Amino acid sequence: SAVISQKPSRDICQRGTSLTIQCQVDSQVTMMFWYRQQPGQSLTLIATANQGSEATYESGFVIDKFPISRPNLTFSTLTVSNMSPEDSSIYLCSVSNPRQADEQYFGPGTRLTVT
Amino acid sequence: GEDVEQSLFLSVREGDSSVINCTYTDSSSTYLYWYKQEPGAGLQLLTYIFSNMDMKQDQRLTVLLNKKDKHLSLRIADTQTGDSAIYFCAESIGSGGSNYKLTFGKGTLLTVNP
Repeated sequence: SAVISQKPSRDICQRGTSLTIQCQVDSQVTMMFWYRQQPGQSLTLIATANQGSEATYESGFVIDKFPISRPNLTFSTLTVSNMSPEDSSIYLCSVSNPRQADEQYFGPGTRLTVT
Repeated sequence: GEDVEQSLFLSVREGDSSVINCTYTDSSSTYLYWYKQEPGAGLQLLTYIFSNMDMKQDQRLTVLLNKKDKHLSLRIADTQTGDSAIYFCAESIGSGGSNYKLTFGKGTLLTVNP
C-alpha cells in the first residue's frame, strides 16, 4: 500500500484567510484526489489532480476556491481560499495504488476549523 | 444517479458477528469498497470486491455482493472492541484509468460492547 502524509494535521483559521494543505506520498502515483468530509458527514470528492495537467473539479467545487498544485508524482497541495465557517471540515488526500489501481488509499486528513 | 446508503448505527456484543449493510443505485459500479475510520483518524481500506464477484473472504471479514439487488454487506466475525469505528461503503464506476471516483455512504457507526 501507499503511505500518505498530510500537513498540517489540524489548524484553526480565521474567516477570510487561506490555508494550504500538503500531501506527500512515498511512491510515484499518477492520480491524486482531494476529498472533504464535513462534520458528521460522508466524504465528497473535490477534485482529481494529475501531474502535468490542470486539476479536474467536481460539481460544486471551483478552482478559485480550491486551487490545487501537482508539481510532481509524489506531492500535491490543496488551498482553501477565503475561508468561512462552512469550510470547517476534514480534508483528505487519496491516491490509487500504482501497482493495483483498484486500491485507493487515504491520508490521515487535515482537520480544519474556521472561526 | 449515484447514491450509496447505509444504516447509521449498529451495536453488538464482543464475540458476536457484525453485519453492516449497504445499498447502491448505480448498476455500472465497477468496484465496491469497505473503509474503516477510527475516531480522529483517516480512512483505512479494509477490503473491496469487483462487481462480477459475489463473495470475498479475508480473515474475519466476509463481503457479500448481490448485484441484482445492488446490496453489499460486510460481516465481521468474532467482533472485538477494537472493531468499534465508522465503516464506510463506497462504489467506483468506470474502467481502467477512469474508475477513480468513489461515492461514499454516510457511514455506519459500529459500537462493540464488552
